[in-house]
Amino acid sequence: DVVMTQSPLSLPVTLGQSASISCRSSQSLIHSDGNTYLNWFQQRPGQSPRRLIYKVSNRDSGVPARFSGSGSGTDFTLKISRVEAEDVGVYYCMQATHWPLTFGGGTNVEIK
Amino acid sequence: EVQLVESGGGLVQPGGSLRLSCGGSGFTFRSYWMHWVRQVPGQGLVWVSRIDGDGNTLYADSVKGRFTISRDNAKNTLYLEMNSLRVEDTAVYYCARSWQGGPDYWGQGTRVTVSS
Repeated sequence: DVVMTQSPLSLPVTLGQSASISCRSSQSLIHSDGNTYLNWFQQRPGQSPRRLIYKVSNRDSGVPARFSGSGSGTDFTLKISRVEAEDVGVYYCMQATHWPLTFGGGTNVEIK
Repeated sequence: EVQLVESGGGLVQPGGSLRLSCGGSGFTFRSYWMHWVRQVPGQGLVWVSRIDGDGNTLYADSVKGRFTISRDNAKNTLYLEMNSLRVEDTAVYYCARSWQGGPDYWGQGTRVTVSS
């Protein structure tokens, strides 16, 4: 199985500042169809997960522009520009290139 | 508006069975792959199973042979039949729609507790 490793585990951020979360995969996430199926999810306290980003850098409908994804191959990043209070929660990366689908362990974003 | 509503969770003894349901609305249910993902409270997300529009299925090794995913497109409903349940199957189970290479919309989850 593809192992997804996120860092940091916990990320205290100041309101209005930016935050970056790293996600590394144990093997390349480039699919044979040419796409890279790397997703990012946000899970606010007490809520279901919500997808933010698909295929590395595409924002889902309704996701604020302050969320952006980048990366390639085995190394990916989620950036939150100008963190707001509503961004508190756990963020997960997930790969869908190889079966089974696998998630990173999560990064807890909290306000300083 | 896309909505997914799970039901069927509860308390069951080890070795017992449970069937989860997930009703979809606001989209053409039969056109989408669907997933089950579980989460032990306070822990991370774990993919369980997937079914495509034609009924082809995939399972995580941890549930293979014990869980069965199915769908009734006429009823816009996804199912997860869980047999030979173990304590380690205790979790919140989410159904999710798949689009563009991953689960985009998720239900609110249904809690399954396996305990004697």
